[in-house]
Amino acid sequence: NAGVTQTPKFQVLKTGQSMTLQCAQDMNHNSMYWYRQDPGMGLRLIYYSASEGTTDKGEVPNGYNVSRLNKREFSLRLESAAPSQTSVYFCASSEVRLGRTEAFFGQGTRLTVV
Amino acid sequence: DAKTTQPPSMDCAEGRAANLPCNHSTISGNEYVYWYRQIHSQGPQYIIHGLKNNETNEMASLIITEDRKSSTLILPHATLRDTAVYYCIVRVAGGNTGKLIFGQGTTLQVKP
Repeated sequence: NAGVTQTPKFQVLKTGQSMTLQCAQDMNHNSMYWYRQDPGMGLRLIYYSASEGTTDKGEVPNGYNVSRLNKREFSLRLESAAPSQTSVYFCASSEVRLGRTEAFFGQGTRLTVV
Repeated sequence: DAKTTQPPSMDCAEGRAANLPCNHSTISGNEYVYWYRQIHSQGPQYIIHGLKNNETNEMASLIITEDRKSSTLILPHATLRDTAVYYCIVRVAGGNTGKLIFGQGTTLQVKP
């Protein structure tokens, strides 16, 4: 049981390049999330998916697209990377169990855009 | 989801209780209070949650005021490993709708 797995762990992009961050969970959770965390800041929600086939914008969606490919996978795409998108990206999933909503997080992807 | 307000930072002596406050004055009747913590650069980890009664588990205790407008997370015997950023979140329980919004959190520094 790996929980939430993110790939890659580290990435350096040049301005204008595109890339997709991958996230997969093996807990059969319906809800999945993408966050970014800038140095010294809290987590900000980029996109949210309540279930397979549905996505919703979070607090900072501009410059990103997402795909909920199936129940397990939720990918985040940067179409044209900018230095302002340098950040640590976290994926999470959650489910309601016994009345409790607990989110599980991946280990993060450290992205630098130069 | 209701917004929360937390102090940006707090210190605590090792072995003493750490009391982390959170204000959520606009909380709705069907919203729970959740606490997460983030150690160094790892992903956040669930600690505890509650609706209106005080709650305790192996990690911490949660005290919610009677009017539910504020709460306090208590780490009864803080250790150096409890140094982390603590996030207070309110959200509707049940179902799979609703976004999980983190604020800035409180950076707790446990000192020897």
